[in-house]
Amino acid sequence: DAKTTQPDSMESTEGETVHLPCSHATISGNEYIYWYRQVPLQGPEYVTHGLQQNTTNSMAFLAIASDRKSSTLILPHVSLRDAAVYHCILGDSGGSNAKLTFGKGTKLSVKS
Amino acid sequence: EAAVTQSPRNKVTVTGGNVTLSCRQTNSHNYMYWYRQDTGHGLRLIHYSYGAGNLQIGDVPDGYKATRTTQEDFFLLLELASPSQTSLYFCASSGDWVQDTQYFGPGTRLLVL
Repeated sequence: DAKTTQPDSMESTEGETVHLPCSHATISGNEYIYWYRQVPLQGPEYVTHGLQQNTTNSMAFLAIASDRKSSTLILPHVSLRDAAVYHCILGDSGGSNAKLTFGKGTKLSVKS
Repeated sequence: EAAVTQSPRNKVTVTGGNVTLSCRQTNSHNYMYWYRQDTGHGLRLIHYSYGAGNLQIGDVPDGYKATRTTQEDFFLLLELASPSQTSLYFCASSGDWVQDTQYFGPGTRLLVL
């Protein structure tokens, strides 16, 4: 079972800043928080990841709570191309048994 | 950017049929993965590998075999296909640690009649 909880869907309008929440109450100290997004009929695409500090890149800003039990992916000025399913995932421990477990994600709709 | 290709892109077979899905990555990644995606379930990990000759069991391995013949090539084998294996299959690869970014292929759509 996925170790994260996300809303099933969210709606937005072009130009808005969107906040996508993710709860991960049982996260362990060495687990990273990953975000991927997926559009229909394509494989997931990496968005960002973090461990403890907030991170930012050209796609998004990741805000991580101080207790690491939740995080928020912030998408500034969304466009129609940002419509996708966004997956919040925890990275398991490293080594030969390491793997990511995907959940159902949040379907973000963007209207013009 | 890492390149992950899959073949075939679409496949139709009958119940009991033998199917092999192929995946190749050209970025010298150690880790490769096979996922299936079904409506209402998200992506589920079938098998993965951290090098040629290695195989690790994922979350939904029943009915699937896999083989990593080289660093570049990872195959998913359905020896007695069933309708429940009708799905969209994705292959992915990542660097030294699974916590590196995973790069996904375009997917293979399999229909088992």
